[in-house]
Amino acid sequence: DGGITQSPKYLFRKEGQNVTLSCEQNLNHDAMYWYRQDPGQGLRLIYYSQIVNDFQKGDIAEGYSVSREKKESFPLTVTSAQKNPTAFYLCASSRGGGQPQHFGDGTRLSIL
Amino acid sequence: QQQVKQSPQSLIVQKGGISIINCAYENTAFDYFPWYQQFPGKGPALLIAIRPDVSEKKEGRFTISFNKSAKQFSLHIMDSQPGDSATYFCAASKKEGAQKLVFGQGTRLTINP
Repeated sequence: DGGITQSPKYLFRKEGQNVTLSCEQNLNHDAMYWYRQDPGQGLRLIYYSQIVNDFQKGDIAEGYSVSREKKESFPLTVTSAQKNPTAFYLCASSRGGGQPQHFGDGTRLSIL
Repeated sequence: QQQVKQSPQSLIVQKGGISIINCAYENTAFDYFPWYQQFPGKGPALLIAIRPDVSEKKEGRFTISFNKSAKQFSLHIMDSQPGDSATYFCAASKKEGAQKLVFGQGTRLTINP
């Protein structure tokens, strides 16, 4: 079945540690996105990529980094500079502008 | 200008009733308006979407009503069922270029049996 796989489902970060969230899609979509979801605030865009080897900052990129070396993969690193990383992180993909976005089932990140 | 305001924050409806969730936007450049349904521990799933060239779109029990002059759009769920209990998000984006969705704050819908 085609879809978006996010791993791990749960992740814990220690103070001063960088952690990387995985997102893989087999939908052959060109565009991929990372969102952060906090209670009562909806989803906010962290980074997005329209093609391989290119990505842009979203509304809340500070403290995060991404790479897009392969079409199917768009990993997100939550760096130690992100002071409030506890959230539900969602990855999405689409065929491109104007096309529906499909979401994975998220990674819940917590602080130890 | 980038905000999408969604109301109510939570909603309780009896089985068989009509659930109505409203959204308002400010950016007149938005021209794609999807609704997403999210169950606990899962990612949002696209439910239905509308573009501003039509005032209403219906898919089964789900209908989007769109008022371009008021910059408002709403989701109506007819004959609401307990299985519809979920969090619903409206969103908006420009059609061209990168589809940077701006989401509303979400509505937690509970359908009582």
